[in-house]
Amino acid sequence: DIQMTQSPSTLSASVGDRVTITCRASQSISVWMAWYQQKPGKAPNLLIYKASTLESGVPSRFSGTGSGTEFTLTISSLQPDDFATYYCQQYISHSWTFGQGTKVEIK
Amino acid sequence: EVQLVESGGGLVKPGGSLRLSCVASGFTFSSYNVHWVRQAPGKGLEWVSSISSSSNYIYYADSVDGRFTIYRDNANNSLYLQMNSLRDEDTAVYYCGRDRQRSGWSAVGYWGQGTRVTVSS
Repeated sequence: DIQMTQSPSTLSASVGDRVTITCRASQSISVWMAWYQQKPGKAPNLLIYKASTLESGVPSRFSGTGSGTEFTLTISSLQPDDFATYYCQQYISHSWTFGQGTKVEIK
Repeated sequence: EVQLVESGGGLVKPGGSLRLSCVASGFTFSSYNVHWVRQAPGKGLEWVSSISSSSNYIYYADSVDGRFTIYRDNANNSLYLQMNSLRDEDTAVYYCGRDRQRSGWSAVGYWGQGTRVTVSS
């Protein structure tokens, strides 16, 4: 199975900060990477697919880059609604794997 | 509006069985691949199983292969997960999800609210 290593596991930041989360795949997944946001007690919400395509309705402060094995999710200016846990996911293989998650906390 | 509504969760003893259901509405269910993803208490997301739009392709995580069966009823817009030989480590919230697009396999664009499964004696 393809392993997804996400970092950091926790991130403390302030409103207005630029935030970057990294995800590394154990082998090349081309651009078949998705990013999700999850709030406590809620289902995940798709932010980015195909590594860099913003899902409809997602604010433009979210962006994704990368290909192959290295990927990043960036929030250009953190807003109060963005404090949540973020997961990367590869879907190149039919055995999907998720990163372990990054919790973005208020500093 | 796309909606996915899971049901069937509950408390079950180790070794027992449970069937989860997911009823879809607001879209042409038969045109989309659908999935089950679970989340153990305080843990991250874990993919469980996927089924193609016409049930031609089915995939399972190693952790559930041979114990769980995914199937769908396109006439009734429903997805199921039959879970047998349940273990403590199957305790989780189970989400059903739909591909974001019709063609090929893609990221999960829509999720249900989840149904909780607790395996405990």
